[in-house]
Amino acid sequence: ETGVTQTPRHLVMGMTNKKSLKCEQHLGHNAMYWYKQSAKKPLELMFVYNFKEQTENNSVPSRFSPECPNSSHLFLHLHTLQPEDSALYLCASSQSPSGGQGAGKLFFGSGTQLSVL
Amino acid sequence: AQTVTQSQPEMSVQEAETVTLSCTYDTSENNYYLFWYKQPPSRQMILVIRQEAYKQQNATENRFSVNFQKAAKSFSLKISDSQLGDTAMYFCAFGTETSGSRLTFGEGTQLTVNP
Repeated sequence: ETGVTQTPRHLVMGMTNKKSLKCEQHLGHNAMYWYKQSAKKPLELMFVYNFKEQTENNSVPSRFSPECPNSSHLFLHLHTLQPEDSALYLCASSQSPSGGQGAGKLFFGSGTQLSVL
Repeated sequence: AQTVTQSQPEMSVQEAETVTLSCTYDTSENNYYLFWYKQPPSRQMILVIRQEAYKQQNATENRFSVNFQKAAKSFSLKISDSQLGDTAMYFCAFGTETSGSRLTFGEGTQLTVNP
């Protein structure tokens, strides 16, 4: 399998549930990202990981907890979410989070459509 | 802080015709990159084209080309010979040497290609 794979594709959860989103990349990249995509809003960068280390957290509420066990896998653990957290959550990877020739060349998964009831 | 504005929420074009999507941005940086990403109904975003600000020549990728006007801070995408498979949401994005791949995205333009 190639590219960036996200599971599950759809997720419905109650406000008291705990669930996890999974992302896997087979591109040999060193950086991985979580983005939130809400209707009629720009993509919001949530977290950045470089070589398994978190390098950015854009003031994301603690009910979202990322985990990056290695450069190929990224998780987003969810607990006690709110209805306004319903959105498409996109995972992406790139060779590096830094500038240079490959800067901005992101490879995305197909996302997890999350609905919080 | 950088901002990216796409003023056209929706556009449509007939198959085989040409369409231009608009994007403006605001930055005080001098060294930066601009991108157009495409998100088809499959939801997987794909990089369409990339432009480096220091290059005066407009980037092209087959039927896709950009009109980069640095002084006006404008970065439009032209799609020639539109195909049904071009139907997608198109996002303009901005990055700098400092921010690297941590891009700022616009709100997107939904393009529909009609048969």
